Amino acid sequence: SQQGEEDPQALSIQEGENATMNCSYKTSINNLQWYRQNSGRGLVHLILIRSNEREKHSGRLRVTLDTSKKSSSLLITASRAADTASYFCATDEYSGGGADGLTFGKGTHLIIQP
Amino acid sequence: DGGITQSPKYLFRKEGQNVTLSCEQNLNHDAMYWYRQDPGQGLRLIYYSQIVNDFQKGDIAEGYSVSREKKESFPLTVTSAQKNPTAFYLCASSLEGGQVNYGYTFGSGTRLTVV
Repeated sequence: SQQGEEDPQALSIQEGENATMNCSYKTSINNLQWYRQNSGRGLVHLILIRSNEREKHSGRLRVTLDTSKKSSSLLITASRAADTASYFCATDEYSGGGADGLTFGKGTHLIIQP
Repeated sequence: DGGITQSPKYLFRKEGQNVTLSCEQNLNHDAMYWYRQDPGQGLRLIYYSQIVNDFQKGDIAEGYSVSREKKESFPLTVTSAQKNPTAFYLCASSLEGGQVNYGYTFGSGTRLTVV
């Protein structure tokens, strides 16, 4: 099955700076989602963007989607120490109505330095 | 509060043993999923269920089994046929199966270790 690939694998920035993570995928999708995972915990859903949307905002999060390039980016503005976590993109591959679960990438590990 | 409860948080398995991981949700979600996560890796789908009494194999179903006798429960059994079971197991649910229109709600995970 297809898999999203996040880039970079790891990112370390100073508190207050903006953090940008990218995700690429391989086939047509219905939507793309971003999740956060704190160490040793479950994933938390952040935002869902549909294939007919180009940009979406939620608080300090901004997600873009370029279906022609099969890529998405997650921007976290004014980062805080509590944003330290791994971030995963997940895709729902278009299959004419059926769905067999989201496919996750390997994640970007974000560290916010105080 | 609604959510997903996974138990136990830590589980140790001896070689040749079957073990069962519990997943219960009170969100009235139709669909439930089991994922496996290895260190530094993404999540890989083991099994999923879109409705009660029905479930489908994911990408890595070999050595695992599930049941979905009740809407709120989706237990995962790791059998002795699974040769490398040490991993972090995550259960998730979504409002409905089929095309994914909603985010998933995840449990806090079970860390399984073979001793």
